[in-house]
Amino acid sequence: QQPVQSPQAVILREGEDAVINCSSSKALYSVHWYRQKHGEAPVFLMILLKGGEQKGHDKISASFNEKKQQSSLYLTASQLSYSGTYFCGTEDSNYQLIWGAGTKLIIKP
Amino acid sequence: NAGVTQTPKFRVLKTGQSMTLLCAQDMNHEYMYWYRQDPGMGLRLIHYSVGEGTTAKGEVPDGYNVSRLKKQNFLLGLESAAPSQTSVYFCASSYSRLSGDQYFGPGTRLLVL
Repeated sequence: QQPVQSPQAVILREGEDAVINCSSSKALYSVHWYRQKHGEAPVFLMILLKGGEQKGHDKISASFNEKKQQSSLYLTASQLSYSGTYFCGTEDSNYQLIWGAGTKLIIKP
Repeated sequence: NAGVTQTPKFRVLKTGQSMTLLCAQDMNHEYMYWYRQDPGMGLRLIHYSVGEGTTAKGEVPDGYNVSRLKKQNFLLGLESAAPSQTSVYFCASSYSRLSGDQYFGPGTRLLVL
């Protein structure tokens, strides 16, 4: 079953923070985050494995709460280059990666 | 390194025609995937392969066939194209499933009339 992402879209001013959520009704082994710019292929951001870990690089980080079957992506001090559509992918016990519908992020100067 | 390449970049088919999409990767990855992405939607897995000579069905396999005769190539075939198969097709590869990072090709835009 497809994970649910929220919000569907968000508009920010450069320098503002954003949180994108991803939740599933099934038990998860891992959560993957990707960013896709318009007309381009998705690009890998990070993967979070079972164990409730948190990861991050630069000003983008993510958390994974396996009990709640949720993951959140945090973008701090957003830059224009962060614009795009963010997808979460959840991997279940059948090792299938099911993708959310995406969250469109627009950053304005 | 070219990474993941896809051929062709764009194609128009008539209903009932057949075609093959080619994906090639030069990173020696074991896993390869074919996805489709419809406007405003996420990716849906069509088929995948865990190694040369192996294939498996994904979320939406009907109407498609695949082959992985060589480790570096993964072919997606449409035997009898239908308008519902109009989409952008992405190929991806990864070293292993749980390593996470899938590397995507640039995509193939397919229009079925």
